[in-house]
Amino acid sequence: GNSVTQMEGPVTLSEEAFLTINCTYTATGYPSLFWYVQYPGEGLQLLLKATKADDKGSNKGFEATYRKETTSFHLEKGSVQVSDSAVYFCALTDAGGTSYGKLTFGQGTILTVHP
Amino acid sequence: DTAVSQTPKYLVTQMGNDKSIKCEQNLGHDTMYWYKQDSKKFLKIMFSYNNKELIINETVPNRFSPKSPDKAHLNLHINSLELGDSAVYFCASSPGPNSNQPQHFGDGTRLSIL
Repeated sequence: GNSVTQMEGPVTLSEEAFLTINCTYTATGYPSLFWYVQYPGEGLQLLLKATKADDKGSNKGFEATYRKETTSFHLEKGSVQVSDSAVYFCALTDAGGTSYGKLTFGQGTILTVHP
Repeated sequence: DTAVSQTPKYLVTQMGNDKSIKCEQNLGHDTMYWYKQDSKKFLKIMFSYNNKELIINETVPNRFSPKSPDKAHLNLHINSLELGDSAVYFCASSPGPNSNQPQHFGDGTRLSIL
């Protein structure tokens, strides 16, 4: 079956530091990959996505590249802000077959950014 | 305009009770989902409906019964609530069951069992 593994958290950084959250996946087909963000007390919001190999998703200064050869989709940001403090989820959906588009999530990484 | 809305936002009840959570989407999507987020933030699919028909039913106790009166609504009814049911339940929708488009999530319903 499909699975997603994220780096263990929590991650604590100072403002303007560089962020990397590692994500690797296992999938039987050709998945689409997503990063979702959950701010305290809120639901999940899509941060960025990539639907095929070598695609780069980007949004709000965050980037991730779909690497089929290493089955990875690492999230990066060059300079984090206090407002980036949240839980970040890597996820995949395997369109087609019997998965019916369901999302398989990683375990989530808590990010705290200090001023 | 809220795309995916869930009610209630908080639900506190006692063990053994029966409760329902409602979900509505105004995106015109065909497919809706229920996910459970446990105390460690882990998210797992529970059910999915496409155009009012059940298409995903993960290994969820049969005390949980989803109902979809139309494709814009997917409600979750839980019988005989147990302590382990305490979690945040998220509803989501997508254009179709085989879409690679991102799912849109509601704000969640935090269920606490006393």
